[in-house]
Amino acid sequence: DQQVKQNSPSLSVQEGRISILNCDYTNSMFDYFLWYKKYPAEGPTFLISISSIKDKNEDGRFTVFLNKSAKHLSLHIVPSQPGDSAVYFCAASRHYGGSQGNLIFGKGTKLSVKP
Amino acid sequence: EAEVAQSPRYKITEKSQAVAFWCDPISGHATLYWYRQILGQGPELLVQFQDESVVDDSQLPKDRFSAERLKGVDSTLKIQPAELGDSAMYLCASSLPGTGRGYEQYFGPGTRLTVT
Repeated sequence: DQQVKQNSPSLSVQEGRISILNCDYTNSMFDYFLWYKKYPAEGPTFLISISSIKDKNEDGRFTVFLNKSAKHLSLHIVPSQPGDSAVYFCAASRHYGGSQGNLIFGKGTKLSVKP
Repeated sequence: EAEVAQSPRYKITEKSQAVAFWCDPISGHATLYWYRQILGQGPELLVQFQDESVVDDSQLPKDRFSAERLKGVDSTLKIQPAELGDSAMYLCASSLPGTGRGYEQYFGPGTRLTVT
């Protein structure tokens, strides 16, 4: 049973427009959410994160929104650039006891930004 | 900028052979993770270390996989014997322990394993 779901395998947007990538989760115990970007033949690169006590976090062109009641988060990229073309993974984690939990990843969304 | 190092980057091996991967985390990162990523899927945790101790190896196929981090720094993941279904990208990640920033895991470039 997938705890983190990215229902759109791919997304295509025009350069300069907004890219919106979506992610849903089922485990209400998750308390931290992250987005990673991955180019072919490379490891995932950390992009941006958000704690469950917040509903928005912004870093330059990237903004993550969290809707806890809907168990939904989204990544907005504005403006989109061709170099943003990559696979984007949503991940979630939780603390329990004194241990830091591992990341649970979605299957990824392949973003293509066309010039 | 500090990075997670992994070697080799690519490995081709025959079924039933042994194979080993190496990871050197970012200096000072006490937590180290090994993930496996199958094409079209997200990474899935195999084993998590806190210093030299295993924190979580519930998803590690222990009949053929082993992992160690003897001095709490670099780590080795071994598969013996390799099976065709082990073909995947093996990713190492590290993080600082603790709340908040400790959730941010930094990944190495991965080892692409092909079992023939």
